[in-house]
Amino acid sequence: EPEVTQTPSHQVTQMGQEVILRCVPISNHLYFYWYRQILGQKVEFLVSFYNNEISEKSEIFDDQFSVERPDGSNFTLKIRSTKLEDSAMYFCASTRQRSTDTQYFGPGTRLTVL
Amino acid sequence: AQTVTQSQPEMSVQEAETVTLSCTYDTSENNYYLFWYKQPPSRQMILVIRQEAYKQQNATENRFSVNFQKAAKSFSLKISDSQLGDTAMYFCAFMNAGGTSYGKLTFGQGTILTVHP
Repeated sequence: EPEVTQTPSHQVTQMGQEVILRCVPISNHLYFYWYRQILGQKVEFLVSFYNNEISEKSEIFDDQFSVERPDGSNFTLKIRSTKLEDSAMYFCASTRQRSTDTQYFGPGTRLTVL
Repeated sequence: AQTVTQSQPEMSVQEAETVTLSCTYDTSENNYYLFWYKQPPSRQMILVIRQEAYKQQNATENRFSVNFQKAAKSFSLKISDSQLGDTAMYFCAFMNAGGTSYGKLTFGQGTILTVHP
């Protein structure tokens, strides 16, 4: 069964550094999402992406964040200058044809900012 | 803005018994979807069940069923014949199905379910 994959599984970085989190959505899916989960807290929506542009973004998704689909398979989340409070689990998700289809999540990337 | 509330931070159940997890939500929308996702210790989010608001019939997936009360804005999950593998964090989630929806999921705080042998 096709799966969403994410790399790396764990990323440790210094405050102020740039990080890129990578996701490979399911191959025939059209809508892509990033969520984050700070330890012990609820999962929060960051951004949705369709047809090579951002469809919707949350207040969390400020100018430090960007997303890109650089080729036909990868979907990346970049944080330009990481802060301590960016430490969280980041989940990528994708849906097949419509934005209201069920979202399938990747295993997540744990980001630790020191 | 929509909100989702799970009032039970933790629940426990004996293996083979039945447990119900509660979820309430607040929205002014009439057309939406509701979900339960499971997050085991591996942290991956796994879909358990999905309910369309326009359907009056409650969704069922094997041992998992929901009690959807649209007027009360309540969406509880019942797990029958609980198994040790059901131990996980369970999240209730809301998605607006309206014209401006791009699939944003709004999650509740989660309920940690422990199944005891």
